[in-house]
Order: sequence, then C-alpha cells, then structure tokens
Amino acid sequence: NAGVTQTPKFRILKIGQSMTLQCTQDMNHNYMYWYRQDPGMGLKLIYYSVGAGITDKGEVPNGYNVSRSTTEDFPLRLELAAPSQTSVYFCASSDIAGALYEQYFGPGTRLTVT
Amino acid sequence: AQKVTQAQTEISVVEKEDVTLDCVYETRDTTYYLFWYKQPPSGELVFLIRRNSFDEQNEISGRYSWNFQKSTSSFNFTITASQVVDSAVYFCALSEGDSGAGSYQLTFGKGTKLSVIP
Repeated sequence: NAGVTQTPKFRILKIGQSMTLQCTQDMNHNYMYWYRQDPGMGLKLIYYSVGAGITDKGEVPNGYNVSRSTTEDFPLRLELAAPSQTSVYFCASSDIAGALYEQYFGPGTRLTVT
Repeated sequence: AQKVTQAQTEISVVEKEDVTLDCVYETRDTTYYLFWYKQPPSGELVFLIRRNSFDEQNEISGRYSWNFQKSTSSFNFTITASQVVDSAVYFCALSEGDSGAGSYQLTFGKGTKLSVIP
C-alpha cells in the first residue's frame, strides 16, 4: 500500500497564480484532512471531508477550496496565491470505523509564494 | 474549544540522557484522544502513540514511555537513553471523540524540537 501520497513535493508560485495540491489515499478511509504547517508552529486544519461529496471548513480555510468526488482523492485548490500561504501542506486520512482514530499523513508539499 | 500546550520550544540533551517532553491539553469533552507524532528533519510525520481518555495506564514501548494524567490534563513523553536518531520535532495532539457531525480533527501543539548531541 502506498498510504497517502501528495503531489507535488515542492512548488514555487507567483502572487496571484493558482494551483491544485493533489492528495490520494489507497486505504479506503472515509475521513480526509488538509493541514498547513508554518515555521515553528504546529499543524492547523484547513479543510476536512467525512466522505465523498462532503467537505467542511477547518480552522484556517480562507484562500482555499476543496472537493471530494471520490473516496480516494481530496485535492486542495489555491485560487489567488498570497505570500501568507507560504507553508508546508500535509494531507491526512483516517478510518473512523473501528474507532482507530489514527491519522495517516502524506509526505507534505512545500509551497513558496513570492 | 480544545487546546494543546507544549511549553518547551527546544530541548538539547547529550546522548544517553533521559528527556521528558511535556504536553498539557484543554478540552470540555469527556471522550477524547491524545497523540504524539514525531517529525524528523526529513519532514514527514510519524505516528508514535494514541491514548483515549478512558485509559490512564502508562505505556512503555522500548525506550519510549508515556505518562497520562487526567488530574493534571497532561500527557508527557519520556525518551530513555536518548540517541542521535531521536533528534526531531515532537508534536502532541488532541482529538475530541464525540463531536456529532464533527471532524475528529487533530489539534496540535506547537511542537518541541529535541536535539540529541553525540
């Protein structure tokens, strides 16, 4: 199993550009999450999804959008990139069934907006 | 609202010393889950342990041990006989267990950077 995969690993954007961060999991998990990690800080939740077709905002959703058309994929969209969105982005998934509650994380995407 | 505090920003120890990383949490729920994750210099997040609010037994896994005390809302992590490979940022996190239609999201502390000096 590949677990949670994210692409790209690194990206540099110019202010105002758009991009989509891809996230795929092969564990058939219902729950998926997007976090951002700023330097010296813990992770903060951007958006989450409890299943295909269902998404909701986390703590820091402004400037981002998500969709969940399949169980496996949970892309994160940045429409108008701003320097404040320079961060490392982590996707995660969890299987709520059986009360496991552990979140499995992808390797992260390092994004720089200049 | 839930909150996790890791008061120690950075810790340096000499190899083979024991070190304890502190974690204090706040939650109004009676059902919740506490986690520790390790983030080595390579950047990935490595799951170390999960503990639910109904299980206050301490746990030992090799050189790692965890002390969960509900009375003080703490979930501290001790590394015995530290090694250079233990150098990493360690995050404590909290998930509330019953949030209705909620997310079971993780609330992270800011992390403690541990440096083990050879």
